[in-house]
Amino acid sequence: AQSVAQPEDQVNVAEGNPLTVKCTYSVSGNPYLFWYVQYPNRGLQFLLKYITGDNLVKGSYGFEAEFNKSQTSFHLKKPSALVSDSALYFCAVNYGNMLTFGGGTRLMVKP
Amino acid sequence: GAVVSQHPSWVICKSGTSVKIECRSLDFQATTMFWYRQFPKQSLMLMATSNEGSKATYEQGVEKDKFLINHASLTLSTLTVTSAHPEDSSFYICSATYPGGGKPKVESSYEQYFGPGTRLTVT
Repeated sequence: AQSVAQPEDQVNVAEGNPLTVKCTYSVSGNPYLFWYVQYPNRGLQFLLKYITGDNLVKGSYGFEAEFNKSQTSFHLKKPSALVSDSALYFCAVNYGNMLTFGGGTRLMVKP
Repeated sequence: GAVVSQHPSWVICKSGTSVKIECRSLDFQATTMFWYRQFPKQSLMLMATSNEGSKATYEQGVEKDKFLINHASLTLSTLTVTSAHPEDSSFYICSATYPGGGKPKVESSYEQYFGPGTRLTVT
């Protein structure tokens, strides 16, 4: 069975500083990995995905993520955080056309 | 492209009544739709997988007689919460997958496209 772990419930970062939201996964076979963002009382918005190819994936709103097979990680990163990036972030793995989500990490960017 | 809508966006109902939530893929045909439930400050929990023209597949612990799912067409799936109780209050989110194929052939993106969610409050 596949699983996703987001070890941090919350990440605090100052505006303008780089941010990292961590994600590790466990799945048999090749993983299809995703990051989504959720704003209050809203559905999920797709940020980026890794299917195959370059380990560094660039996505929406300046976010990127690095796939590391040896560490089974897919950390989300952004070079310079904005206050508007404050939201709930979910990592997910697609296996057999089904998504399994991590527990979510709340990102708080302070001015 | 790949827009999914949900209706209503929020609903308040009395205990014992039934509520229907619609999930529509607006610009693509979705052979598979998913229904999730999200409690406050928690992750999404898959309730069921809905395939057009067939019975939904429910996750363990989800009462199929309470949460009725109908996927009548390639663009519409409905979730009906029957005899709702306050503990059914939650945020319900649907998603749909783009199957790929067609002419010209398009590879599936393996993505699920999410609706905006429906906030259900049972009083």
